[in-house]
Amino acid sequence: DVKVTQSSRYLVKRTGEKVFLECVQDMDHENMFWYRQDPGLGLRLIYFSYDVKMKEKGDIPEGYSVSREKKERFSLILESASTNQTSMYLCASSFTDQDRISEQYFGPGTRLTVT
Amino acid sequence: DAKTTQPTSMDCAEGRAANLPCNHSTISGNEYVYWYRQIHSQGPQYIIHGLKNNETNEMASLIITEDRKSSTLILPHATLRDTAVYYCIVRWRAGGFKTIFGAGTRLFVKA
Repeated sequence: DVKVTQSSRYLVKRTGEKVFLECVQDMDHENMFWYRQDPGLGLRLIYFSYDVKMKEKGDIPEGYSVSREKKERFSLILESASTNQTSMYLCASSFTDQDRISEQYFGPGTRLTVT
Repeated sequence: DAKTTQPTSMDCAEGRAANLPCNHSTISGNEYVYWYRQIHSQGPQYIIHGLKNNETNEMASLIITEDRKSSTLILPHATLRDTAVYYCIVRWRAGGFKTIFGAGTRLFVKA
């Protein structure tokens, strides 16, 4: 079974703090993703990575950065947390298929509250 | 990517089959149909995908109409733990990595 783990299930941070969210997958997947999920807005893609040290912006990258130094690990960084970044953060991974976009496997999510 | 239309919510009795419909009338020949579900407070879970033929795995069956304009996800013996939001998505490789999860269908399995 594919396993995607996230460092915390719940996190409370103060405005202005630097926040690190870690994601690890154990299936040697090339692609990794960070989403946030908010009521009424669905899942929105923040950043994704298709290889080590490679990253691409998603729909809402402002206020976030990412790091992928190893294939299995993808980190999301909030440089200076703000209250509008209070959300559920979901990490996912997928493999590269020749003729289709493979299914994504999601972690359990991190519910971040910024006060 | 083609747009999908799903009912907002559905009920199903425990032990009965749950049939979740999805319309994707603008689907193109290269687009696959994917189903995910999201149980409350968890990340989405991949269920099944298909292109033209019907597919079955340990979780569910996927029936795709011959014209590919609609599909049905079947949970053969629904349990209370199948209560979740079910998302139908159509994707193809050239569409890039963006996966749009719409509102989905909220399935309530009742005892």
